[in-house]
Amino acid sequence: QQPVQSPQAVILREGEDAVINCSSSKALYSVHWYRQKHGEAPVFLMILLKGGEQKGHEKISASFNEKKQQSSLYLTASQLSYSGTYFCGTQDYGQNFVFGPGTRLSVLP
Amino acid sequence: DAMVIQNPRYQVTQFGKPVTLSCSQTLNHNVMYWYQQKSSQAPKLLFHYYDKDFNNEADTPDNFQSRRPNTSFCFLDIRSPGLGDAAMYLCAAAPLARTDTQYFGPGTRLTVL
Repeated sequence: QQPVQSPQAVILREGEDAVINCSSSKALYSVHWYRQKHGEAPVFLMILLKGGEQKGHEKISASFNEKKQQSSLYLTASQLSYSGTYFCGTQDYGQNFVFGPGTRLSVLP
Repeated sequence: DAMVIQNPRYQVTQFGKPVTLSCSQTLNHNVMYWYQQKSSQAPKLLFHYYDKDFNNEADTPDNFQSRRPNTSFCFLDIRSPGLGDAAMYLCAAAPLARTDTQYFGPGTRLTVL
């Protein structure tokens, strides 16, 4: 079952922060985050494997709340290059992997 | 260096005419995936191979089939393409199915006339 992402779209000015949420109705083994720019393939950002795990990648970090079956992606001091569509992908204990519908992020100068 | 290669990048076929898309990887990864992505939508998983074990998603139409003759290559066959099959087809490779990064190829954009 496809996870839910919110918001669907967000517009930021350079330097502003954003949070993208991903939640599932199923127990999750892992949560993956990818960014896709228009006309390009998705690019891996990070994977969270354990409940309570947090990871960082430059100014992009994420957390995974296993109990709540949700993950959040945090983008701080956004740059123009952060623009794109962010997908979470959830893996359940049955090895089923599915991408969320995506959150379109636009960073303006 | 290209790690996941898809050919061709653009494919045009006619309604009902079989078409094959190809994917190769230089990563020697065990797992390969085929996704279909339509405009403004998320990639939708069609199949994945864990080594030679084939896994078909429950809602993948019978019109779509796949072959993986060896670790490096994977093919997507669309037996009778319909207008609704026009999409970007993405191939990805990963070391393991559950816990690893998926490395995506650039995709093949399929047009059905």
